Amino acid sequence: DGGITQSPKYLFRKEGQNVTLSCEQNLNHDAMYWYRQDPGQGLRLIYYSQIVNDFQKGDIAEGYSVSREKKESFPLTVTSAQKNPTAFYLCASSSRDSLYGYTFGSGTRLTVV
Amino acid sequence: AQSVTQPDIHITVSEGASLELRCNYSYGATPYLFWYVQSPGQGLQLLLKYFSGDTLVQGIKGFEAEFKRSQSSFNLRKPSVHWSDAAEYFCAVGAEYGNKLVFGAGTILRVKS
Repeated sequence: DGGITQSPKYLFRKEGQNVTLSCEQNLNHDAMYWYRQDPGQGLRLIYYSQIVNDFQKGDIAEGYSVSREKKESFPLTVTSAQKNPTAFYLCASSSRDSLYGYTFGSGTRLTVV
Repeated sequence: AQSVTQPDIHITVSEGASLELRCNYSYGATPYLFWYVQSPGQGLQLLLKYFSGDTLVQGIKGFEAEFKRSQSSFNLRKPSVHWSDAAEYFCAVGAEYGNKLVFGAGTILRVKS
């Protein structure tokens, strides 16, 4: 079955470390998205990519970086510049138009220790 | 630009009672509208979507939603709520062209027995 796989499900980061969250899809979707979710704040867009080798900043891109070298993969790096990284991170993908909405992964919970 | 408002942050209903979650959108043309559900610690699952045609759409898990253009609303309803419906619900709007969705802040549904 097609879908989106996020890994790991839980991730712990020490102060000053960079960590990378994985997102892989086999839906042949062109677009991929990263969202951050905090209690009571809904979904906030971090980065998105419409095609391979191209991506745009979302509303809260500071302290994060992404790459899109393959259509199937859109990893997110949480850098040490992100001062409050503890959150639930969701990856999503979609086709070229919004007719079918987004397909979401099951999320990664990142905790700073 | 599109926007979505979910006026209710929390709603509590008794098991077996009816449910209506409100969603108002702002968009100048024909919108694509979606409702998603999220269980704690999980990704978002698509409940239903509206593109055109019949303004009452049926979704999974016994949910339905009605599109009212004159009120810019897309409210989600269920005739009889089950304890397993307790979750967070997100309304989203997409444009006819392009593939970015804009999400509401979410409504947390609590079901009391």
